[in-house]
Amino acid sequence: AQKVTQAQTEISVVEKEDVTLDCVYETRDTTYYLFWYKQPPSGELVFLIRRNSFDEQNEISGRYSWNFQKSTSSFNFTITASQVVDSAVYFCALSEDSGGYQKVTFGIGTKLQVIP
Amino acid sequence: EAEVAQSPRYKITEKSQAVAFWCDPISGHATLYWYRQILGQGPELLVQFQDESVVDDSQLPKDRFSAERLKGVDSTLKIQPAELGDSAMYLCASSLWTGSSYEQYFGPGTRLTVT
Repeated sequence: AQKVTQAQTEISVVEKEDVTLDCVYETRDTTYYLFWYKQPPSGELVFLIRRNSFDEQNEISGRYSWNFQKSTSSFNFTITASQVVDSAVYFCALSEDSGGYQKVTFGIGTKLQVIP
Repeated sequence: EAEVAQSPRYKITEKSQAVAFWCDPISGHATLYWYRQILGQGPELLVQFQDESVVDDSQLPKDRFSAERLKGVDSTLKIQPAELGDSAMYLCASSLWTGSSYEQYFGPGTRLTVT
């Protein structure tokens, strides 16, 4: 079974629409970290947010917001008033302890296309 | 702001040739990762170092791939011989775990094309 599931492989929205990218994870650990990364066409992975398993507070950063719900093992990412520059592949990732070190597993990514 | 450095950014090589990639992590980051990302997929861990020791190389094709981090700082990933299926983006990342916080940052990647 996948540890990080991003069920939406591609999403297209019209500029200024809101869009939510889903992420569902699976872990037996009580302490873990969740990440979102953005990968623009240039290829570099850009860190967006890290959330630890003990902090279920939702977070907002400008047009970006994240909804972490342990009860449903989800860590969804919403972009408000999308812009063309938001077009990229977005990856959700899970970091767990594995024999004393952190092991990171990525989802397959969601490709977001924002149409002008 | 500290960054993970990688070189080269792009590499074109012929099948059966040897190729090497270099990564310099953020200073102080004990953990270093090499990932391979095939087009349209998420990054897949190849090898993970804790200081100079390999802690996970279960997905590394050891018949042709090797990785080292001799002094626990920078690292080299080598492929010999390269195959057509090795064409991908190779990403290096480093992380720091303090017990109460964790951060991981990626380098710009090396895009490998095998012809």
